[in-house]
Amino acid sequence: AQKITQTQPGMFVQEKEAVTLDCTYDTSDPSYGLFWYKQPSSGEMIFLIYQGSYDQQNATEGRYSLNFQKARKSANLVISASQLGDSAMYFCAMREGQGFWGSQGNLIFGKGTKLSVKP
Amino acid sequence: GAVVSQHPSRVICKSGTSVKIECRSLDFQATTMFWYRQFPKKSLMLMATSNEGSKATYEQGVEKDKFLINHASLTLSTLTVTSAHPEDSSFYICSALTSADTQYFGPGTRLTVL
Repeated sequence: AQKITQTQPGMFVQEKEAVTLDCTYDTSDPSYGLFWYKQPSSGEMIFLIYQGSYDQQNATEGRYSLNFQKARKSANLVISASQLGDSAMYFCAMREGQGFWGSQGNLIFGKGTKLSVKP
Repeated sequence: GAVVSQHPSRVICKSGTSVKIECRSLDFQATTMFWYRQFPKKSLMLMATSNEGSKATYEQGVEKDKFLINHASLTLSTLTVTSAHPEDSSFYICSALTSADTQYFGPGTRLTVL
């Protein structure tokens, strides 16, 4: 069964507007971590943000914030004030267990969302 | 859906030994596979691009003699960490490209070098 679901294969957003990239997950482990990575055409995977399941507040990093809704098992990425350089693939991922390395188990990725920012 | 597996999921080895990690595309053929290394709260570092039937393309700063990559078939790429040292301890992730350029990630391999 798929554990990470990204339902938007592609998204368009106007420059300077905010955009939300959806991610839902499935786990029975009460401890887990959620990650978002950005992949530009170069292929590198740029770490954006991390949210632990026990973190009290939604994670934020600059223009990136994670809308963590535990009951709904969703971890949407919000990018504020989109820039042309934000055009890339975005991957949501989950690792079960507490802390960044979790139980040192698998890191499960979604299929990704291709974001295109229009000038 | 497309699945990529990695074996082993965890490995502990002694310093100076070599470790081989396999990456397999289970239900599709992948002419291109990628190998990444994960660092805490940092980017997944792209180590190399593995192309079936040809030599891997290594990223700058990655020692090709230390991290040997072999893309033996359209469904299998291997990463061998030679003469492993504790600083090589990390989480290694592979991904595979479908013919439609969709990328699927393996679950990763946790390497611990004692």
